[in-house]
Amino acid sequence: AQSVTQLDSQVPVFEEAPVELRCNYSSSVSVYLFWYVQYPNQGLQLLLKYLSGSTLVKGINGFEAEFNKSQTSFHLRKPSVHISDTAEYFCAVSEYDSSASKIIFGSGTRLSIRP
Amino acid sequence: EAGVTQFPSHSVIEKGQTVTLRCDPISGHDNLYWYRRVMGKEIKFLLHFVKESKQDESGMPNNRFLAERTGGTYSTLKVQPAELEDSGVYFCASSQGGQVLRANEKLFFGSGTQLSVL
Repeated sequence: AQSVTQLDSQVPVFEEAPVELRCNYSSSVSVYLFWYVQYPNQGLQLLLKYLSGSTLVKGINGFEAEFNKSQTSFHLRKPSVHISDTAEYFCAVSEYDSSASKIIFGSGTRLSIRP
Repeated sequence: EAGVTQFPSHSVIEKGQTVTLRCDPISGHDNLYWYRRVMGKEIKFLLHFVKESKQDESGMPNNRFLAERTGGTYSTLKVQPAELEDSGVYFCASSQGGQVLRANEKLFFGSGTQLSVL
């Protein structure tokens, strides 16, 4: 069975500082990996996804994530954060070509930006 | 284009009462998903509709939960009778396409219904 672990429930950082949000997953088959973001009072939005090919994936708003198969990780990074990045970030996984079509989410990491 | 709409945005009920949540997916989207997030925990899959058919309901917690999608358009999720542990945020999402969530498909989420059972 698939699972997603986001070890950090909250990450406070100063504005313009770099940030890394950690994500590890567990699956017995090949997977697709996603990061979703939820801004206050909004639904989840897709930030980026890894399907295949280059392990470094670039998303919206300057975020990027790197897929590391040996470490089963998909950490999200941004070199310089802005106040507007304040949100909750969810890592997610779905099985490759599975007949069970669902995405499994982690517990989320709340990113708070201090001026 | 209208996004995924959920109603109500908040609901506060007493234990033992009934509540019905509604989700209007994006027009033309065959796939409709329900998810739930209990406070601070992961967003858990509840079930998946393809048009009006239940494709996967493995995440439904128990028989107090009933989901319907008559006519393959909007969906309702009824909780009867509600218990304290049902409190949380219920998300609906939709996507185009067939029965299997393909890699190039994108899920569109509603802003959720915050359910509080007192």
